[in-house]
Amino acid sequence: GENVEQHPSTLSVQEGDSAVIKCTYSDSASNYFPWYKQELGKGPQLIIDIRSNVGEKKDQRIAVTLNKTAKHFSLHITETQPEDSAVYFCAASRDDYKLSFGAGTTVTVRA
Amino acid sequence: NAGVTQTPKFQVLKTGQSMTLQCAQDMNHNSMYWYRQDPGMGLRLIYYSASEGTTDKGEVPNGYNVSRLNKREFSLRLESAAPSQTSVYFCASSPTSLEQYFGPGTRLTVT
Repeated sequence: GENVEQHPSTLSVQEGDSAVIKCTYSDSASNYFPWYKQELGKGPQLIIDIRSNVGEKKDQRIAVTLNKTAKHFSLHITETQPEDSAVYFCAASRDDYKLSFGAGTTVTVRA
Repeated sequence: NAGVTQTPKFQVLKTGQSMTLQCAQDMNHNSMYWYRQDPGMGLRLIYYSASEGTTDKGEVPNGYNVSRLNKREFSLRLESAAPSQTSVYFCASSPTSLEQYFGPGTRLTVT
């Protein structure tokens, strides 16, 4: 099955700086890569996703890049704000209803 | 539009007891999912239902059963709870086989 590794496990950034989270996947047939944000005591929330036919996607302060050859994808958050503090999960799927999640990155934005 | 709702929010069981976790969605989504979340392990798929009338095993189905009652509702049953099933359980739904929307979770403790 698919194996998704996520790094780093914790990330502390100064408010206004950028944050980058990286994930690698093992199944070359995977073609869908979402990112979820989970705040304390809540369910994961889909914040951005990318399909394998696209190399980069942006939505305001967040962007995701995909390198299919190297089988890795990354989440970039620019101009971080305190409300960006949360746990972020990457995931991968081969469009078969099954999402394989990374272990998560706890992001702390210092004021 | 409540999205995905789950009941109960919290539950404590003794080893060997049974219970059913309830999930409902009001987004007219075709597919529904059950995950468990354990510290440092991300989310793992227990069962999913691609459409009304179908259910399939995920990564960690042992000890669980599911019922897709209708298009809106998807329940998860623990027949004989074990301490290893202590976890946070999330239900999700999706209009396709890709993007998934999660409920608020049920925190289950088995003593």
